[in-house]
Amino acid sequence: SQQGEEDPQALSIQEGENATMNCSYKTSINNLQWYRQNSGRGLVHLILIRSNEREKHSGRLRVTLDTSKKSSSLLITASRAADTASYFCATDTGSGDKLTFGTGTRLAVRP
Amino acid sequence: NAGVTQTPKFQVLKTGQSMTLQCAQDMNHEYMSWYRQDPGMGLRLIHYSVGAGITDQGEVPNGYNVSRSTTEDFPLRLLSAAPSQTSVYFCASSSRPGSNTEAFFGQGTRLTVV
Repeated sequence: SQQGEEDPQALSIQEGENATMNCSYKTSINNLQWYRQNSGRGLVHLILIRSNEREKHSGRLRVTLDTSKKSSSLLITASRAADTASYFCATDTGSGDKLTFGTGTRLAVRP
Repeated sequence: NAGVTQTPKFQVLKTGQSMTLQCAQDMNHEYMSWYRQDPGMGLRLIHYSVGAGITDQGEVPNGYNVSRSTTEDFPLRLLSAAPSQTSVYFCASSSRPGSNTEAFFGQGTRLTVV
């Protein structure tokens, strides 16, 4: 079974609105990452948050991490049509060598 | 900047045929991985490697073989293709293991087994 699960599975918002997606994971982690995937393309790294960090910002992205609840959230502010993509969280498991991904949130931003 | 290069981009196989999906990276990364992506399943780890000569199984290794003879290349072999292996395959590389640093992905190979 997969380490991470995102919710919602799909999200549709209007341009200019904020988009929030959540990730829950099962075991202790070293770090948590978020990736973006445009339709039919490879994944692109967005942001990494370490297990001793609670919040991190990068441009219009804000990531939070709550290790007590084993959950993370990704907030995209002032969304644009170009933000339309799937978003995945990723963590490591076991010995820490393997990077495993959640099931993803499909975000659609309407112009 | 080539990054991670996967070939071919598209492939159709008949059941029982074999093939090798190629992956090459030019960033001198030690860590490389293969994932498959199916609708509603996200990315699932097939095999990974922490350096030349060292490989290990991921979540869904059955039906796939890998080897890592050089730092640059990490080919994925399907010995006897099955329709259940119809998927999009992604190769990734990183300079550190697990979640310690960002992973770089290829553009994917879309495989159909008929």
